[in-house]
Amino acid sequence: EAQVTQNPRYLITVTGKKLTVTCSQNMNHEYMSWYRQDPGLGLRQIYYSMNVEVTDKGDVPEGYKVSRKEKRNFPLILESPSPNQTSLYFCASSSQAGTVYNEQFFGPGTRLTVL
Amino acid sequence: AQSVTQPDIHITVSEGASLELRCNYSYGATPYLFWYVQSPGQGLQLLLKYFSGDTLVQGIKGFEAEFKRSQSSFNLRKPSVHWSDAAEYFCAVGRSNDYKLSFGAGTTVTVRA
Repeated sequence: EAQVTQNPRYLITVTGKKLTVTCSQNMNHEYMSWYRQDPGLGLRQIYYSMNVEVTDKGDVPEGYKVSRKEKRNFPLILESPSPNQTSLYFCASSSQAGTVYNEQFFGPGTRLTVL
Repeated sequence: AQSVTQPDIHITVSEGASLELRCNYSYGATPYLFWYVQSPGQGLQLLLKYFSGDTLVQGIKGFEAEFKRSQSSFNLRKPSVHWSDAAEYFCAVGRSNDYKLSFGAGTTVTVRA
C-alpha cells in the first residue's frame, strides 16, 4: 500500500531534550516536506526537500533541522525543543514527474507536546 | 511572499444544501492553487488543483472550484453536501519560482441533518 508513515504518532517530552520524528514514504517520491498545524494558523511549511541531499527552508524553519540521506526518509529533528513547538506535525511527499506541484500525500500526523 | 486567506473560520450547512468556501490569495505571478480536505484525526487529502487552462476545475467527491484572476480567488463549491463532507478544508498556494506551499488557516464545515 502506498503510504507516508510517521513515528511516533504521539510524543510528550520536556524542554531541551533532543528528539527526532521520522518520516518514510514507499512511493519513490522525490519531493518531501514537513508542516506544522496550529489552530487558527492552518499548516505552515517547516522544511522541504527536492531530492536526496537537497533541502530548503519553508516559512517556519527556526528550531528545526532536517536531513535527506535516502530518498524514502526525511526525519525532522528538534535539537532543543521548546513549548512553542507543541503542535501537530505532518510529513508529505509527492512525485516531481511533470511538476513539483503534483498531489502531496500526507502522513497521519505526529502530535508533539513539549512541557 | 504569497499569502492565503480563508475568510470563513466555520460554516454550518444543512445536508443536501449547497456549499461554497472562499479562498483569496496574494501573489504576483500565476499561482498554483489547491484545495485539501482534512477529516477528523486524519491527514490531508487533495480535492482538486489548478495550474492553468480552464478556470473551472472538477475534483473528487463532487467538488469544483473556480479560479478568478481578477478577484484573486479560488472558491470551492459543492451543489449538495453529504454528512460525510463535515471536515476542515484548506486552500493552498504554490509559487512558480520555488517550491514553497502556503496554506490558509482553514474552514471547518459542520453538516446538520
